[in-house]
Amino acid sequence: GQNIDQPTEMTATEGAIVQINCTYQTSGFNGLFWYQQHAGEAPTFLSYNVLDGLEEKGRFSSFLSRSKGYSYLLLKELQMKDSASYLCAQLDSNYQLIWGAGTKLIIKP
Amino acid sequence: DTAVSQTPKYLVTQMGNDKSIKCEQNLGHDTMYWYKQDSKKFLKIMFSYNNKELIINETVPNRFSPKSPDKAHLNLHINSLELGDSAVYFCASSQDTGGHRTGELFFGEGSRLTVL
Repeated sequence: GQNIDQPTEMTATEGAIVQINCTYQTSGFNGLFWYQQHAGEAPTFLSYNVLDGLEEKGRFSSFLSRSKGYSYLLLKELQMKDSASYLCAQLDSNYQLIWGAGTKLIIKP
Repeated sequence: DTAVSQTPKYLVTQMGNDKSIKCEQNLGHDTMYWYKQDSKKFLKIMFSYNNKELIINETVPNRFSPKSPDKAHLNLHINSLELGDSAVYFCASSQDTGGHRTGELFFGEGSRLTVL
């Protein structure tokens, strides 16, 4: 997607921690979303950050730095079911979502 | 109860045909969307309706025509299908709050269209 950058693919081990980074253009910003999409399924909402800092929700946390145009999704205690694509999306000044292409996360035993 | 449901889930058709995909949401949301996800997995907004009114119409061929008979339904009709139309089409909805769209979307399961 335009202006959103995230790695194409990452591999991690079951039980470990992985951080998926996302950068976006800072002009026109109303929030940063992370969605999870399992293969062949619909995206589902994970998190929303609009203020700087870390938002924790169980095994998943999301961080935002507005001045740097940077966010990350942190997944702890990885489980095999966490294998999925993770989509970063920016809510722009017109309240439209700009989507990244997603990061495919592969979990190995 | 499925929150956002779309039919059909799979659609295989020949070039030049006309087809429709239907979407319904029972969440009471004001805004509904059609997205196209191609083989590279980019989600591209096609249309957005708020209370039956078109509010987003991205650069989409006019062969694609959305119709919203009421705020719970948003259908997509495609004329003269082309090979490049093959993709997964997702319907989604969101609840506007305070006049702003929050961006939290609820997606349907997707309709995989294959044009031969």
